[in-house]
Amino acid sequence: SAVISQKPSRDICQRGTSLTIQCQVDSQVTMMFWYRQQPGQSLTLIATANQGSEATYESGFVIDKFPISRPNLTFSTLTVSNMSPEDSSIYLCSVVRDRVQETQYFGPGTRLLVL
Amino acid sequence: KQEVTQIPAALSVPEGENLVLNCSFTDSAIYNLQWFRQDPGKGLTSLLLIQSSQREQTSGRLNASLDKSSGRSTLYIAASQPGDSATYLCAVRHETSGSRLTFGEGTQLTVNP
Repeated sequence: SAVISQKPSRDICQRGTSLTIQCQVDSQVTMMFWYRQQPGQSLTLIATANQGSEATYESGFVIDKFPISRPNLTFSTLTVSNMSPEDSSIYLCSVVRDRVQETQYFGPGTRLLVL
Repeated sequence: KQEVTQIPAALSVPEGENLVLNCSFTDSAIYNLQWFRQDPGKGLTSLLLIQSSQREQTSGRLNASLDKSSGRSTLYIAASQPGDSATYLCAVRHETSGSRLTFGEGTQLTVNP
């Protein structure tokens, strides 16, 4: 398995501001991902965080809005920029350690409320 | 485009009952399928992962089956307990989607003491 922590666990932000969410894993992993879970909905993949290079974004998500960094194999950040109330969601980091079995493990999530 | 559907959306059962949660997917070209539970306000806990070549996986009171050709998976929970109350999500990884998971909407389970 993998032990994943996220900071902050929750935040309330004002419209137009930005928030950076951190994801830390207890040991090196091959892949890291960022998901969004909007209220009452299931999870949607935002992007794959690539170590040492630009993230790979899914359709509907852009780097200017959700810049992602992954400086090493255990840490990643997701920034939610120029926030609006529609960005109110739970943001979850996930990792894959074993590329053969490919079990994905999720962090506890960051609950974001934008006023 | 892969779509994942979970039925029922919500389920309430008395403690001790055996129950089945259903998951269906539209594109059978999957690499694996994973079941998760999510407690209110929390992240996801991985329960079981079934590779496309497997028919079932078991962990304790949980048994997950996979019928890839018909696009279906079931999660069987034996002798349910109040601590099993949570939302159960299934997610599939397509053969060509890298490690991207497509999630169902989940089944919200309540086990009453």
